[in-house]
Amino acid sequence: KAGVTQTPRYLIKTRGQQVTLSCSPISGHRSVSWYQQTPGQGLQFLFEYFSETQRNKGNFPGRFSGRQFSNSRSEMNVSTLELGDSALYLCASSFLSVADSYNEQFFGPGTRLTVL
Amino acid sequence: KQEVTQIPAALSVPEGENLVLNCSFTDSAIYNLQWFRQDPGKGLTSLLLIQSSQREQTSGRLNASLDKSSGRSTLYIAASQPGDSATYLCAPPSGNTPLVFGKGTRLSVIA
Repeated sequence: KAGVTQTPRYLIKTRGQQVTLSCSPISGHRSVSWYQQTPGQGLQFLFEYFSETQRNKGNFPGRFSGRQFSNSRSEMNVSTLELGDSALYLCASSFLSVADSYNEQFFGPGTRLTVL
Repeated sequence: KQEVTQIPAALSVPEGENLVLNCSFTDSAIYNLQWFRQDPGKGLTSLLLIQSSQREQTSGRLNASLDKSSGRSTLYIAASQPGDSATYLCAPPSGNTPLVFGKGTRLSVIA
């Protein structure tokens, strides 16, 4: 069974640009969550999608957005990039949404975003 | 709001030692708790998931326990090996947030 895949693996952007990251969950998983990891703040929850609906959202500005498609693949978008957005962005999938019952989360390898 | 503390922040041990990593959390109303390891620059690998109805879970040389009443979980690693060197993270959920992470314990096992 294939694991969670994320593309691209590495990305370099400049301030003010926007970026789109992609996540393909494990087959059969309908919940996709996104996390940001930085040395200073550690791992922080961005948002969760289940059946194409955003179920939960972390404390991030509106520049961070996401969506989920009917095949459960998810994308997150960051507009007007800032230097502080440089981070490892991790995607996790699980069989059920947190709203129903919490199941084991499986993570992808991450996308390393560098903002210059 | 869930807050997670992991002690120690870093640990260096000789190969073969048994060791215990500690995790404490403030909100004990959790479904379960998950332990992960992370190698530098990589994603997270799930090690163990302890359901709220369980007291412990074992996988190979790893054993994790959960005490919801005291807000604590421990990860026990037996007969440590250099390949165990990584950062270990515990993550209980909180309300509608899938996972809330501690800062992790950075483990180095010296051959």
